[in-house]
Amino acid sequence: QKEVEQNSGPLSVPEGAIASLNCTYSDRGSQSFFWYRQYSGKSPELIMFIYSNGDKEDGRFTAQLNKASQYVSLLIRDSQPSDSATYLCAVSTGGFKTIFGAGTRLFVKA
Amino acid sequence: GAVVSQHPSWVICKSGTSVKIECRSLDFQATTMFWYRQFPKQSLMLMATSNEGSKATYEQGVEKDKFLINHASLTLSTLTVTSAHPEDSSFYICSASARQTDQPQHFGDGTRLSIL
Repeated sequence: QKEVEQNSGPLSVPEGAIASLNCTYSDRGSQSFFWYRQYSGKSPELIMFIYSNGDKEDGRFTAQLNKASQYVSLLIRDSQPSDSATYLCAVSTGGFKTIFGAGTRLFVKA
Repeated sequence: GAVVSQHPSWVICKSGTSVKIECRSLDFQATTMFWYRQFPKQSLMLMATSNEGSKATYEQGVEKDKFLINHASLTLSTLTVTSAHPEDSSFYICSASARQTDQPQHFGDGTRLSIL
């Protein structure tokens, strides 16, 4: 049973729209949540992390965490073609163990 | 900050060769480093977790005698693919976490390994 679930996509949005990426996790003890972006053929790059319930904004990116419902989401405002990538959700239960989701492919149409 | 350097970025070698990949944290101390493998269009697959000064913990199905991991210092971990064969061809990526728990992993640029 997967511990971190993401819709594989592809999620296709027009340029300028809001892209919404979702992730659910199974371990209620999870404490830290991360979003990574991975371009094709490249390694993952950290774009956001969130530890507390609620929203965290960084530029065009907003991470949302709801521990009661065990989901975390990433919103990308004013989506650009350069945002086209695979977005990985990662969840840490404490210590150094981090579980990665399989990723959601995002395609932003110009 | 939080820069992880990995090299080489690309290796092509003959079957039977052993290949060493280095992973360095440049501006922080990495108590724990991770090694992943990723095949085209597939998810990251964790191979092993290495803590400085101790033996690596391998994931199920990963041969520890095939993939030798050394984490001799807080800034350097190495992965050696011994007697590599074509099926070992893949994209190998390291990551590192700082001392504090729940810190994000920072990834190196990856090594593309092609065994002929």
